[in-house]
Amino acid sequence: NAGVTQTPKFQVLKTGQSMTLQCAQDMNHNSMYWYRQDPGMGLRLIYYSASEGTTDKGEVPNGYNVSRLNKREFSLRLESAAPSQTSVYFCASSQNILLSGANVLTFGAGSRLTVL
Amino acid sequence: GIQVEQSPPDLILQEGANSTLRCNFSDSVNNLQWFHQNPWGQLINLFYIPSGTKQNGRLSATTVATERYSLLYISSSQTTDSGVYFCAVEGAGGSYIPTFGRGTSLIVHP
Repeated sequence: NAGVTQTPKFQVLKTGQSMTLQCAQDMNHNSMYWYRQDPGMGLRLIYYSASEGTTDKGEVPNGYNVSRLNKREFSLRLESAAPSQTSVYFCASSQNILLSGANVLTFGAGSRLTVL
Repeated sequence: GIQVEQSPPDLILQEGANSTLRCNFSDSVNNLQWFHQNPWGQLINLFYIPSGTKQNGRLSATTVATERYSLLYISSSQTTDSGVYFCAVEGAGGSYIPTFGRGTSLIVHP
């Protein structure tokens, strides 16, 4: 029972390079999320997908794009990486963000990204 | 948007001690979750608690939604309790997106 799987776990980029973080869940959840965690800042929402076929901006979307490929997969893309995007990125899923009481979050293990 | 404040920001305990972590929020909420992030970075859901009290072993949580706060109690702390504790709230304004506080960092010494 894998839950939420993120790849890669670690990545080092140079400024201006692009990359995609992959996320997949096997719990048949409708809603998926990308958060970033910076020291002392808690977790801040980048983008979320309430259901397959929809995506919406969160608190800190600038510099990122997302794709909800299917119900299982939700990817995060950095088109031109900047040092300010150095962070730990977490993917999460929940049963259904549109229903109160159906939003227990399950997190992946995280992806540590360094932009030089 | 809704503001979430956690206190204290840092806490150091001796093994066996008890502690209380607090989460205050600025507006009405539909739900509240507590998470533990272990030293390896993994985030684990501890409680999903919109109101009332829940207990799970040495941990318990109480949410008083009308007064806009929640408390997480850790009794007889162990070194494995070390890590960062986050609360996340879902505002009652029609959006059920969880918003996180900045966390309480707990170190339990043997």
